[in-house]
Amino acid sequence: GAVVSQHPSRVICKSGTSVKIECRSLDFQATTMFWYRQFPKQSLMLMATSNEGSKATYEQGVEKDKFLINHASLTLSTLTVTSAHPEDSSFYICSADRGFGAFFGQGTRLTVV
Amino acid sequence: QKEVEQNSGPLSVPEGAIASLNCTYSDRGSQSFFWYRQYSGKSPELIMFIYSNGDKEDGRFTAQLNKASQYVSLLIRDSQPSDSATYLCAVRNAGNMLTFGGGTRLMVKP
Repeated sequence: GAVVSQHPSRVICKSGTSVKIECRSLDFQATTMFWYRQFPKQSLMLMATSNEGSKATYEQGVEKDKFLINHASLTLSTLTVTSAHPEDSSFYICSADRGFGAFFGQGTRLTVV
Repeated sequence: QKEVEQNSGPLSVPEGAIASLNCTYSDRGSQSFFWYRQYSGKSPELIMFIYSNGDKEDGRFTAQLNKASQYVSLLIRDSQPSDSATYLCAVRNAGNMLTFGGGTRLMVKP
């Protein structure tokens, strides 16, 4: 069964609104989670590393004020896309590392209209 | 040079053939190696991991690791159309950081 659960799987929002995506580790504690973005036919792009109890680490070129990450507990990290624009439409995926590999959530397909 | 490199493909093989997917990495201190499969529109799923030089077999899949040459490969025997997907190689370096390659798209033709 899934070890990382991501919700929602699909969301459509209007330009200018904010969208929150949740990522939960099931049956294990994840002090670190990762957020990726993937555009059609392209590879995974790491956006940020979410650290429980401290600030997230963002990759170069990723706006931290636009993509807010909160990792308030050992089993939950959230990504909020603020003031969404159509160019933010993408597939967002979280993952948590269990040592013997990273496990991914189901992904969230975000469409901004 | 990218840390983890894969040929983007597509790699096209006929049904029943062996598909061979390759991955090279730059950090000689890398400790563990993973293969993920990603179907279109879905998130990646872990299919194999390997730590030691040599071969590791799991059903139709065989992972091969050669640390001296810094490459890891995945062989899929008796390829099926349902194996058509993008295969991602991931490498954990000495700093415990997991880095993904860009993926190879595999197409298995009936």
